[in-house]
Amino acid sequence: GQNIDQPTEMTATEGAIVQINCTYQTSGFNGLFWYQQHAGEAPTFLSYNVLDGLEEKGRFSSFLSRSKGYSYLLLKELQMKDSASYLCAVRDRYNMLTFGGGTRLMVKP
Amino acid sequence: DVKVTQSSRYLVKRTGEKVFLECVQDMDHENMFWYRQDPGLGLRLIYFSYDVKMKEKGDIPEGYSVSREKKERFSLILESASTNQTSMYLCASSFNEGRNEQYFGPGTRLTVT
Repeated sequence: GQNIDQPTEMTATEGAIVQINCTYQTSGFNGLFWYQQHAGEAPTFLSYNVLDGLEEKGRFSSFLSRSKGYSYLLLKELQMKDSASYLCAVRDRYNMLTFGGGTRLMVKP
Repeated sequence: DVKVTQSSRYLVKRTGEKVFLECVQDMDHENMFWYRQDPGLGLRLIYFSYDVKMKEKGDIPEGYSVSREKKERFSLILESASTNQTSMYLCASSFNEGRNEQYFGPGTRLTVT
């Protein structure tokens, strides 16, 4: 089985940097995904990590440490439109995803 | 662009009714999934399918069944709807190989009264 923890809510200021953490315990790690979900909309894919290290994609970066069971999503130069829920999901060796409860990020002016 | 569509955005049904939720994807994905999303519980997998006519139970299959007669279409069936099945239902699809990230439909908010 898998257990995934991420903070329930975070607040940050427009233009700032925010880091959303995700810790996991898994039997058979095969990759970690981050999704963004605006209220009332479908989750959309943001990033994928399967090896240790940092993956950068524009204003968004995601980091993975497999030995620590830890990932974070880093959002730079925050914009109001970044207000959304951010979902951490771990894939197991059977290619099944287990999702964390999501972190609701509120960006304030 | 990958497109996953769901038959309804909002649905209201009565307890005991049989409910069909339809999902269609246009990217020739092998895998299709049904999740429900509830506050504080995240997305939980109900059923998935990795090929036509194949289905596997997820974490919470009780009270649900599925059908996949064509590759592009995956249906979720609530045999006898109950109030505890009031939820947001999300369909997703993915390839079998590579990064195979899942692409989600817009969701169906089902209310059972």
